Amino acid sequence: LAKTTQPISMDSYEGQEVNITCSHNNIATNDYITWYQQFPSQGPRFIIQGYKTKVTNEVASLFIPADRKSSTLSLPRVSLSDTAVYYCLVGGMDTGRRALTFGSGTRLQVQP
Amino acid sequence: DVKVTQSSRYLVKRTGEKVFLECVQDMDHENMFWYRQDPGLGLRLIYFSYDVKMKEKGDIPEGYSVSREKKERFSLILESASTNQTSMYLCASTVNSNQPQHFGDGTRLSIL
Repeated sequence: LAKTTQPISMDSYEGQEVNITCSHNNIATNDYITWYQQFPSQGPRFIIQGYKTKVTNEVASLFIPADRKSSTLSLPRVSLSDTAVYYCLVGGMDTGRRALTFGSGTRLQVQP
Repeated sequence: DVKVTQSSRYLVKRTGEKVFLECVQDMDHENMFWYRQDPGLGLRLIYFSYDVKMKEKGDIPEGYSVSREKKERFSLILESASTNQTSMYLCASTVNSNQPQHFGDGTRLSIL
């Protein structure tokens, strides 16, 4: 099965920019890259999705290099409320079950 | 805004009982999913459904079954609950294969 690899945890301070990188070496041509955020006792929440280059919305940016074998979620000026687990997901249902496999995610801890 | 509602936040059942977990979405989404989430293992897909009365096995279907009689409702059934099925169960839905999933807040199930 195709696999995504993320750091297990990261620490940051309020006001800093945080970049979380996800490796997905065998991404398929039709695959999208989607990032989710999860707080304790809640379901994951969609943050951002992209296919190539750069995508930006009101909460984050997603950078995807030309070979698409990795992606970087960028959170500008984090606050304490950004402390959460962040998941990278690659694919779509038409590419089979592998596309619905969440990794263990990256636990981001933001300090005051 | 999409709403995915899971019938219970917390549930306690006994070994051997038949357990029903219910999930309802209000956006007429075609695709619905059941995951379980355990510490250190991320989210693992149990079953998904891409249409009424259609279902596909995920990565860990053993000990579970599902029912989708109406488009908005997707039920997860534990035929004979066992202690190793104690977990957080998450339901999600999406309009099509490349769109982000919308999650409920989960059901924390304890099997005693």
